[in-house]
Order: sequence, then structure tokens, then C-alpha cells
Amino acid sequence: DVVMTQTPLSLSVTPGQPASISCKSSQSLLHGDGKTYLYWYLQKPGQSPKLLIYEVSNRFSGVPERFSGSGSGTDFTLKISRVEADDVGVYYCMQSVHLPLTFGGGTKVDI
Amino acid sequence: HLQLQESGPGLVKPSETLSLTCTISGGSISSNSHYWGWIRQPPGKGLEWIGSIYYSGNTYYSSSLKSRVTISVDTSKSQVSLKVNSVTAADTALYYCARQFSWYYDLYYFDLWGQGTPVTVSS
Repeated sequence: DVVMTQTPLSLSVTPGQPASISCKSSQSLLHGDGKTYLYWYLQKPGQSPKLLIYEVSNRFSGVPERFSGSGSGTDFTLKISRVEADDVGVYYCMQSVHLPLTFGGGTKVDI
Repeated sequence: HLQLQESGPGLVKPSETLSLTCTISGGSISSNSHYWGWIRQPPGKGLEWIGSIYYSGNTYYSSSLKSRVTISVDTSKSQVSLKVNSVTAADTALYYCARQFSWYYDLYYFDLWGQGTPVTVSS
């Protein structure tokens, strides 16, 4: 199974400041079709996870521009340009190139 | 708009079978571009994919749970079901149903989730 390793485990941020989360996979997430199937989710307290980013860097519908994703191969990053109070929760990366689908362990972000 | 609602017993005894249902409303379960997945989250822990099913019945399972899990679909009721056999305390979790984008049998992201239903395994 592909192991997804997120760092840090937790992150305390100041509103208005940037934040960055790393996700590393144990195998390349580059698919044979040339795309990389790495996603980011945010699970706010008491809620279900919601998709933020798909295919490394594409913001899902309705996701604010302050969220951005980057990376390739096995190293990926989620960045929040200016953190807002509403961004608190646990962030997960997930890959779908290799079965079984696997998630990172999560990064808890608080203010 | 489409909604997913998980339901089932909140308490299951060890060694018995956990059975959950996900009811899809406000849209079609027979979508050409979606699978329906089950994901679980043990208390205070991360997310674990259990498996996903297409409306035709084609199914993918997690390797770690495959021997104990069955996912099925009933298009007439717009429902997807999950069964986990021989449960232990390690199966205690919040169980989510989610819609998963798919294309030509490849699985992609989960774009819509239910609220989840808690299941405790205890005697």
C-alpha cells in the first residue's frame, strides 16, 4: 500500500499569516496518463471532510483562492496564503493512483 | 441537490456483523461517472478507505479489509450497503458514505460526503 506521510502533525497559526502542510507518498503518484492524482481535504470540527484540491493544484468548486496546492512525484504541499479563523480543522491528503486508496494521517490546524 | 445519509445500528457485539446503509437522495445512484464509497474514521484518528461500488455492482475493496467486507448496491432503493464480518473493537469508528468521481473504472476524489454514522463494537 502507498503510505502517505503528512507533516507537521499539528500547526498553530496566526490569522493573516501563511501556513504550509507537506504530504509525501511512498510511491510516485504520477499516473500513466500523465496526471497526478493527489487530493487535499479539510475536515472542520464536527463535520465531514470536504474536498479542497484535486490533481495536486486544482481548487475544487467554491474553494477560496487562498488555498493552493503544488508538488510532483512523491512530494506535495498545501499552502494557505493568509489563514482565516474558518480554516481550522484537520487537513488530509489522499492518493488514488494506486489501490487501495490511502489517506495521510492528517495535520491539525488551529489558531 | 444530492444528499447521502448513512444509517444502521450504533452498537454491534464483537464477532458479529456490522451492517450499514447509505441512502442517496436528490440525484441518481446510476451515474456513469461516479462510484459510491465507504470510508471510516476511528475515534480521534484519521480516514481509512473501505471500498467503493459502481451502480452496476463493480466493486473495489481495501486490501486490509477485503476478507471481511461486502459492499452492495440496490438501485431500486437508491441505496449502497456495507457489511463487515467478525467485528472487533478495532472496527469502532464513524462510518462515512461518499460519492466518488470515476472515469473508465479509475477512482478519483470523493466530492460529496454523508454526515457519517457512529458504530461502537462492544459487548
